[in-house]
Amino acid sequence: AQSVTQLGSHVSVSEGALVLLRCNYSSSVPPYLFWYVQYPNQGLQLLLKYTSAATLVKGINGFEAEFKKSETSFHLTKPSAHMSDAAEYFCAVSEKDFGNEKLTFGTGTRLTIIP
Amino acid sequence: GAVVSQHPSWVICKSGTSVKIECRSLDFQATTMFWYRQFPKQSLMLMATSNEGSKATYEQGVEKDKFLINHASLTLSTLTVTSAHPEDSSFYICSANGDRAYEQYFGPGTRLTVT
Repeated sequence: AQSVTQLGSHVSVSEGALVLLRCNYSSSVPPYLFWYVQYPNQGLQLLLKYTSAATLVKGINGFEAEFKKSETSFHLTKPSAHMSDAAEYFCAVSEKDFGNEKLTFGTGTRLTIIP
Repeated sequence: GAVVSQHPSWVICKSGTSVKIECRSLDFQATTMFWYRQFPKQSLMLMATSNEGSKATYEQGVEKDKFLINHASLTLSTLTVTSAHPEDSSFYICSANGDRAYEQYFGPGTRLTVT
């Protein structure tokens, strides 16, 4: 069974500061890992994904995440926060399998940017 | 590419009535579509997985007779909430697999309010 834990339901950072959103996963097989962003009353937009290639994954809007197997982590970072980054962020895991790929989501982290 | 639409974006219905939500993959064929439910300030919970031409697979605790899913073509899946009650009020989001089975593309969501 797979699961995702996002530490910190709310994170506030100042504009221009480092953004760090934490995600730890549990999976019985090598996982695919994803970060999604959700703006109010909208669906999810894929930020980036890890699919067993490079462990440091670069995504859209300046975000990146590093897969660390030893720590079972996939934390999301951005060097300099922008006001437009304020949103809800979800980490998700999908076990490698052919057929229906079920995503299991974390509980989400609401990112607030302080002007 | 990989755009998923949902219709309607919001709907208000009276208790006891049924409402249908459409999910379309606009520029790709989706053999598998997923339906999620999201309560305010909570994560996405998978309701069911639908494969084109076959019966949907429902997650534990989801009433299949209440949430009817039809995946009649490679670009369209529908979710019908039957005999809706106020507790069915929620944000419903669909997603679809593209060529890469592990990648899901999300629709913008449908907000259902049952009065």
